[in-house]
Amino acid sequence: RKEVEQDPGPFNVPEGATVAFNCTYSNSASQSFFWYRQDCRKEPKLLMSVYSSGNEDGRFTAQLNRASQYISLLIRDSKLSDSATYLCVVIKAAGNKLTFGGGTRVLVKP
Amino acid sequence: GAGVSQTPSNKVTEKGKYVELRCDPISGHTALYWYRQSLGQGPEFLIYFQGTGAADDSGLPNDRFFAVRPEGSVSTLKIQRTERGDSAVYLCASSSLAGGAYNEQFFGPGTRLTVL
Repeated sequence: RKEVEQDPGPFNVPEGATVAFNCTYSNSASQSFFWYRQDCRKEPKLLMSVYSSGNEDGRFTAQLNRASQYISLLIRDSKLSDSATYLCVVIKAAGNKLTFGGGTRVLVKP
Repeated sequence: GAGVSQTPSNKVTEKGKYVELRCDPISGHTALYWYRQSLGQGPEFLIYFQGTGAADDSGLPNDRFFAVRPEGSVSTLKIQRTERGDSAVYLCASSSLAGGAYNEQFFGPGTRLTVL
């Protein structure tokens, strides 16, 4: 079993709609959580950190559920430019290396 | 300012050959990371440098892989006796500090390695 698991998708989303997807992690000692965005044939870029209280950045909302060991990302009012692969990232205790999920592909269509 | 740069952007080699991949981190960043991303997968950690020393090399798959950072800036990932399974995008990232708090890792564009 992978340490960080994601539904690979693709999630086909009409422009303007809302899409949400989760990621599960297996190590209960994981300390920090992030969503990265990766465009086709480009490098990953930090989208947002994820906090237990939940956090919002514009149209993006991230949630962390430590009890069930999953994090979620919700995108409201989807734009064509939101089409990308969204990578769930976890940092385990006492470390700085990023552990990535396999990514969830989102395709926003007109 | 300049971001993380990696050279070459593409490298095609034959099975059994030796390759070197270079990473120039953001100026002043003390922490440097190498990851490998296979097609359709997320990046996988290889090695992490704090300054000149390898603080964590637990992700290196075997002894054919080696990385150095002799002056605490540029790093070179070296792969001996390449195999077809080594084909992937090799990503380098750097961050300003490492330690208790997380500091964002900024990724370079990667080197796409193809082993024929």
